[in-house]
Amino acid sequence: QSALTQPPSASGSPGQSVTISCTGTSSDVGGYDYVSWYQQHPGKAPKLVIYEVSKRPSGVPDRFSGSKSGNTASLTVSGLQAEDEADYYCSSYAGSNVVFGGGTKVTVL
Amino acid sequence: QLQLQESGPGLVKPSETLSLTCTVSGGSISGTSYYWGWIRQAPGKGLNWIGLIYYSGTTYYNPSLKRRVTISMDTSKNQFSLNLNSVTAADTAVYYCARGLYGSGTDYWGQGTLVTVSS
Repeated sequence: QSALTQPPSASGSPGQSVTISCTGTSSDVGGYDYVSWYQQHPGKAPKLVIYEVSKRPSGVPDRFSGSKSGNTASLTVSGLQAEDEADYYCSSYAGSNVVFGGGTKVTVL
Repeated sequence: QLQLQESGPGLVKPSETLSLTCTVSGGSISGTSYYWGWIRQAPGKGLNWIGLIYYSGTTYYNPSLKRRVTISMDTSKNQFSLNLNSVTAADTAVYYCARGLYGSGTDYWGQGTLVTVSS
C-alpha cells in the first residue's frame, strides 16, 4: 500500500495563496471522489478541512478549497494567515481501505 | 458535542499485544452511518491508517497490518478497541481514534495517546 505523494513543504506570505498537490493512482485518488484534507498543528490531533474533494465541514473558512484532476488532488489556502501554518495531509478512499499522503508543512513567511 | 478519548498502556514490550480503547461520549456508536477507526502517527512522521469498524461489525484493515490487527466494539459501553499483536519498535506511535463517514473522511478525533514499544 503506497502513500499518496505530497510535496514536503510549501510557503507563502500572509494574504497570499498556497496550493498543495496530492498525487495517487487510479485505484485511489483518481478512482473515487473521496479525497479528504487534514490540518495538523504541532502536538494536536488532525482536523478535517476538506472532504469529498471540495466540500468544507461546518466552521472551516472558505479560504480553504479543494479540487481534483485525474490522479491528483489539490488543496488551496487563500489569504494565508499565521494560524494556517501547520502540516497538511491528504487522504483518499482506496477500495476497502484508506491511504494518506506523507504530509506537507506549510510555512507562513 | 461528540468526544473521543483513547486509553491504554503507554508502554508495551516487544512481541506483546498493544491494546487500546476509545470511549465515545456525547453520541452513540450504534448509529448505522458512521465508522469508528484508528490512525497512528510515528514520532515525526505522517499519518497511517490502521483500520475501521462499522456498527454492523464489518471491519476494514490496512493490508500491511491486517495479519496483526483486530478492531472491535462494545456498544453497551459506547467503546471500540484496537488490538495489535506481535509489536516491535516500529509500532511506537501516537494512536488516534476517530469517527468517520463513508468516503467523507474522519470528522472527530481523540486527542491521541503515545504508545512506546520497548523492553
